[in-house]
Amino acid sequence: DTGVSQNPRHKITKRGQNVTFRCDPISEHNRLYWYRQTLGQGPEFLTYFQNEAQLEKSRLLSDRFSAERPKGSFSTLEIQRTEQGDSAMYLCASSPLTGMGETQYFGPGTRLLVL
Amino acid sequence: GEDVEQSLFLSVREGDSSVINCTYTDSSSTYLYWYKQEPGAGLQLLTYIFSNMDMKQDQRLTVLLNKKDKHLSLRIADTQTGDSAIYFCAGYSGGYQKVTFGTGTKLQVIP
Repeated sequence: DTGVSQNPRHKITKRGQNVTFRCDPISEHNRLYWYRQTLGQGPEFLTYFQNEAQLEKSRLLSDRFSAERPKGSFSTLEIQRTEQGDSAMYLCASSPLTGMGETQYFGPGTRLLVL
Repeated sequence: GEDVEQSLFLSVREGDSSVINCTYTDSSSTYLYWYKQEPGAGLQLLTYIFSNMDMKQDQRLTVLLNKKDKHLSLRIADTQTGDSAIYFCAGYSGGYQKVTFGTGTKLQVIP
């Protein structure tokens, strides 16, 4: 296992279109996170899964955003009716359920540009 | 929730030591992390320290934690041009199931 992977790496879309991103975590990791990072800022938490259960959602995650992790492995993040303000890097991270703190391992991110 | 603050920019000469500072607000933070992000890339975990430790050393990296002042620092010895990146401090407080990141410090290493 080479780490967390994300696809696509880059996405350009027109305002109003729907987009979907995929994250494949490190295989034995139970926990999966989505973050959004805008230019000049640190990552901001969006949502968190433990196995297939979505346990926490940030208020940043409007009703246009939905995330799933149907079999407790890969996850998808969908943005409906994209807006220019959605342009950002979307980062996925995973961590093991070891009780050793939330040491998260990040993927390379998907950079979204909404025109 | 937690707030994590960092200075925005640091410039050092190659071979010198770099010290990147971070302050956090949540005294219940149990783990504190340093991540490195190179342009266009995701975040790479560099090191972390548990809140009951004062110092952790890992090769060229030294992490110092002052829990009383809620201050964390990362020292990079013998800084190289490959260390040029943005460094993020982050804290984990257990109950919130998430990590809060600072805004990042851009380290520029001058050859």
